[in-house]
Amino acid sequence: DTEVTQTPKHLVMGMTNKKSLKCEQHMGHRAMYWYKQKAKKPPELMFVYSYEKLSINESVPSRFSPECPNSSLLNLHLHALQPEDSALYLCASSQAARGRDFKNIQYFGAGTRLSVL
Amino acid sequence: QKEVEQNSGPLSVPEGAIASLNCTYSDRGSQSFFWYRQYSGKSPELIMFIYSNGDKEDGRFTAQLNKASQYVSLLIRDSQPSDSATYLCAVNKASNYQLIWGAGTKLIIKP
Repeated sequence: DTEVTQTPKHLVMGMTNKKSLKCEQHMGHRAMYWYKQKAKKPPELMFVYSYEKLSINESVPSRFSPECPNSSLLNLHLHALQPEDSALYLCASSQAARGRDFKNIQYFGAGTRLSVL
Repeated sequence: QKEVEQNSGPLSVPEGAIASLNCTYSDRGSQSFFWYRQYSGKSPELIMFIYSNGDKEDGRFTAQLNKASQYVSLLIRDSQPSDSATYLCAVNKASNYQLIWGAGTKLIIKP
């Protein structure tokens, strides 16, 4: 089973709203990722959690705030977003996290389609 | 030079023919290579990964890796209309094992 579950599937929010995206995996993976994808572009890495600790933050604006409550869950808290933040937000997970396993096979959830009005 | 380069296409292939997708990369330290398929509006789906030079076959898909020439390719045999999608090549970054993505090749299989 290589399932990563993301909720909600679609989200429309105003620029003053606060919302959260959720991601869950039960594969025992110890690395989890948030990506942002705009139309006709490849995924763009935002954050990486390794063993529940933030290991990579790709200079993402502070209006995006990640949280990893436990090894199975990953949240992305959204606040004061801009219309240009509208995109497909993808969560992924992989087994290896300590940087010694180069295989790093990442499995993606179905994504959350976010529209900021 | 981009770190991972793919021809953006679209690549148009008749149904039943072989589709050949190519990817070149710049980081000689990269050790793992992935092909993801992405249908319009959907998330990327892993279809092949390869670590060693040579060919790796899985059903109608064959991944080919040549580390000396720094390219990886994906062959799809007996192409079906359902193979029409964007194919993303991803290469691990030697420094931190994160993925570097190509821009993707749009493949169209014509019935």
